[in-house]
Amino acid sequence: DAGVIQSPRHEVTEMGQEVTLRCKPISGHNSLFWYRQTMMRGLELLIYFNNNVPIDDSGMPEDRFSAKMPNASFSTLKIQPSEPRDSAVYFCASSWDREGEKLFFGSGTQLSVL
Amino acid sequence: AQSVAQPEDQVNVAEGNPLTVKCTYSVSGNPYLFWYVQYPNRGLQFLLKYITGDNLVKGSYGFEAEFNKSQTSFHLKKPSALVSDSALYFCAVRVLNNNDMRFGAGTRLTVKP
Repeated sequence: DAGVIQSPRHEVTEMGQEVTLRCKPISGHNSLFWYRQTMMRGLELLIYFNNNVPIDDSGMPEDRFSAKMPNASFSTLKIQPSEPRDSAVYFCASSWDREGEKLFFGSGTQLSVL
Repeated sequence: AQSVAQPEDQVNVAEGNPLTVKCTYSVSGNPYLFWYVQYPNRGLQFLLKYITGDNLVKGSYGFEAEFNKSQTSFHLKKPSALVSDSALYFCAVRVLNNNDMRFGAGTRLTVKP
């Protein structure tokens, strides 16, 4: 398996633009997580899905952020409109939905909002 | 709510010396504890985990961690550090019946030749 695949690897956009980050989890995994990493706040859990259903989105910063998982092999994280303070590295991770299972992380998307 | 704390932002050790990266946890149930490592411009990589059983857990690259329930700690250790161990290390916790995983703030380990 190729692991968790995220795209794009880097994204540079201007304030106010819509940004869509994409994630393909490992085949067979039924839990998917979106994290954001910044120097100031560390690694924050934004949202996670079980069997394509959002379970906890309490970490989503505000209404400008939305996430979807239309099927077991694809998820998106959208920011509309984007702001400079959204600049961060966004990670997607997946796992089996079993007790104590580890997460497998993608390489991340480095987002810069100018 | 479950959480982990990493009290040290930075740990510096000399190559060949033992290293310890500290982690304490706070959970309402039985914890599943993890250590991950992050190299520059990379995603997090799994090192080891504690589920149950033996309190000393061995993982990748010669790392090990000791679960201490009375001190609610899960410190990462290695008997002899390598320069290539220099990276950002994260402790994380997952709790039974709660699927999400929460990470500590991370500790930057620097191993000097």
